[in-house]
Amino acid sequence: GQQLNQSPQSMFIQEGEDVSMNCTSSSIFNTWLWYKQDPGEGPVLLIALYKAGELTSNGRLTAQFGITRKDSFLNISASIPSDVGIYFCAGQQGGSEKLVFGKGTKLTVNP
Amino acid sequence: NAGVTQTPKFRVLKTGQSMTLLCAQDMNHEYMYWYRQDPGMGLRLIHYSVGEGTTAKGEVPDGYNVSRLKKQNFLLGLESAAPSQTSVYFCASSYSEFATNEKLFFGSGTQLSVL
Repeated sequence: GQQLNQSPQSMFIQEGEDVSMNCTSSSIFNTWLWYKQDPGEGPVLLIALYKAGELTSNGRLTAQFGITRKDSFLNISASIPSDVGIYFCAGQQGGSEKLVFGKGTKLTVNP
Repeated sequence: NAGVTQTPKFRVLKTGQSMTLLCAQDMNHEYMYWYRQDPGMGLRLIHYSVGEGTTAKGEVPDGYNVSRLKKQNFLLGLESAAPSQTSVYFCASSYSEFATNEKLFFGSGTQLSVL
């Protein structure tokens, strides 16, 4: 099946720092989604992207749909301790295709 | 608001035992899904359902069976548990298929250990 390469696998940062993570594929995707999973909980949708080049924000989070449609980026500005968790990218190639998830980026924020 | 509820939250099985995980949603969603999450592997789709009475295989269906007798419930069964099925299992539901235009709602997970 299709693979999404998500990096980095883990990040250890200080509170207040900015964070960047990305997701890449060898195939074109029509939709990119970013989810966050808090410890002991299920993933929750953060941002959805539907057009190449689209830049969308949700509070301190900003995500972009790459121009090539083969990648997406998530940035978190001024991190806070509650940002800890696992961030997943997910992509869909077409309207009837299954969502493909990346392997996740585990974020740790030191106060 | 209950959303998606999974039971049990934790379970320990011996190899060869059987069990059923229950997922219930109160949002009248048509689509329901079972994923497993393993360290370093992300979320992998086991089975899904596009409506009451329907089921379909996902990415990793072997060793699992599912049933959707009622719209609000989606059951995941392990007939003969194996250590390789030790994982965290997530149920999800959505109004539209794979929810790119709608939220995919996840339950809080079931931690299953097979000894």
